[in-house]
Amino acid sequence: KQEVTQIPAALSVPEGENLVLNCSFTDSAIYNLQWFRQDPGKGLTSLLLIQSSQREQTSGRLNASLDKSSGRSTLYIAASQPGDSATYLCAVSAYNTDKLIFGTGTRLQVFP
Amino acid sequence: SAVISQKPSRDICQRGTSLTIQCQVDSQVTMMFWYRQQPGQSLTLIATANQGSEATYESGFVIDKFPISRPNLTFSTLTVSNMSPEDSSIYLCSASPSGYTDTQYFGPGTRLTVL
Repeated sequence: KQEVTQIPAALSVPEGENLVLNCSFTDSAIYNLQWFRQDPGKGLTSLLLIQSSQREQTSGRLNASLDKSSGRSTLYIAASQPGDSATYLCAVSAYNTDKLIFGTGTRLQVFP
Repeated sequence: SAVISQKPSRDICQRGTSLTIQCQVDSQVTMMFWYRQQPGQSLTLIATANQGSEATYESGFVIDKFPISRPNLTFSTLTVSNMSPEDSSIYLCSASPSGYTDTQYFGPGTRLTVL
């Protein structure tokens, strides 16, 4: 059974810092991995999608990497801003299915 | 991409009643899903809503408790039946426009409180 874990569970940093969020999964037979952002009381916003054949994806200040063989992904946020404060979720889709299995989330707070 | 709306955005219901949540996508999509997010927890998949046929439920979720409809490629409903306080959660609808190689897009969620 696929299990997805995120470390750390919570993170509080001053504005301007570069930071790394970690995601690990137990079954490497995935089709893709997605990073989402969830603001309090809101739905999810897709940030990055990495196909299993890819090693990284970039969007603005965000960079996500994938090491499928070791069951790990990282989300790198450069020059963090208070507006980045949210919960970040990673999710993997099992091979040949759309079903997403979500990680436990990292709650990020960036203070001015 | 896909823009998803859900109604209602929130509701407070009495124990033993039922609530139907609607999910509308602004374009035709291949796959639609329903997730539950319990307080302080991550998301758990309830079921895949199949167009024109019965939904596919995950372990721990049953049709009698969570009946789902998907009459076309842009709309789905989830009913939470015979509610108890343990059903208090955020219920989210998602869609995958082109299948399993595609990004999943999520609705804003329905926050349900059962008294």
